[in-house]
Amino acid sequence: GQNIDQPTEMTATEGAIVQINCTYQTSGFNGLFWYQQHAGEAPTFLSYNVLDGLEEKGRFSSFLSRSKGYSYLLLKELQMKDSASYLCAVRDSNYQLIWGAGTKLIIKP
Amino acid sequence: IAGITQAPTSQILAAGRRMTLRCTQDMRHNAMYWYRQDLGLGLRLIHYSNTAGTTGKGEVPDGYSVSRANTDDFPLTLASAVPSQTSVYFCASSGTGDTDTQYFGPGTRLTVL
Repeated sequence: GQNIDQPTEMTATEGAIVQINCTYQTSGFNGLFWYQQHAGEAPTFLSYNVLDGLEEKGRFSSFLSRSKGYSYLLLKELQMKDSASYLCAVRDSNYQLIWGAGTKLIIKP
Repeated sequence: IAGITQAPTSQILAAGRRMTLRCTQDMRHNAMYWYRQDLGLGLRLIHYSNTAGTTGKGEVPDGYSVSRANTDDFPLTLASAVPSQTSVYFCASSGTGDTDTQYFGPGTRLTVL
């Protein structure tokens, strides 16, 4: 079967750095996405990786290792507004997105 | 209209009633999707449409139907609602390109009693 694993919840301090991991087992791979979802709102796109390596976008970076079935989202200089759930999704061989359950990130002052 | 809109925002429905959730996008995206999101579970695909006039079944299609008469609209119908269909429903769309990123509507919170 297809599976995306992420930690359920993480806590970090304002101004710090946090890394959210995602491991996947899917039938085929056509890219990995990270989305942010604030409570009661829709998911919004953060990043996309299809080749191995690091993609940097401001305070957020995303890393991919296809051979290990592994990705992480790195958030730097954490702000209170970063408190949200972070969703990892993999596009499979049918070009459909398979979603993880999300990681709830709690930022403390 | 800017992006994707969904209606209604929320709804309480008696079991056995018929309900249509509306979704409209103005980005001229070819592909559209319906997901449900339940606590502790990832987004689950109900139905999708790669282009106007075509639809396909996702992971959890039972009890739901869709139609795609034109590019902009993708309604989701529950023919006879059951309590297990209580969920938050998100519509999404994507264009064609390198990433085919999906963009989401604001969601419909549905409660079936």
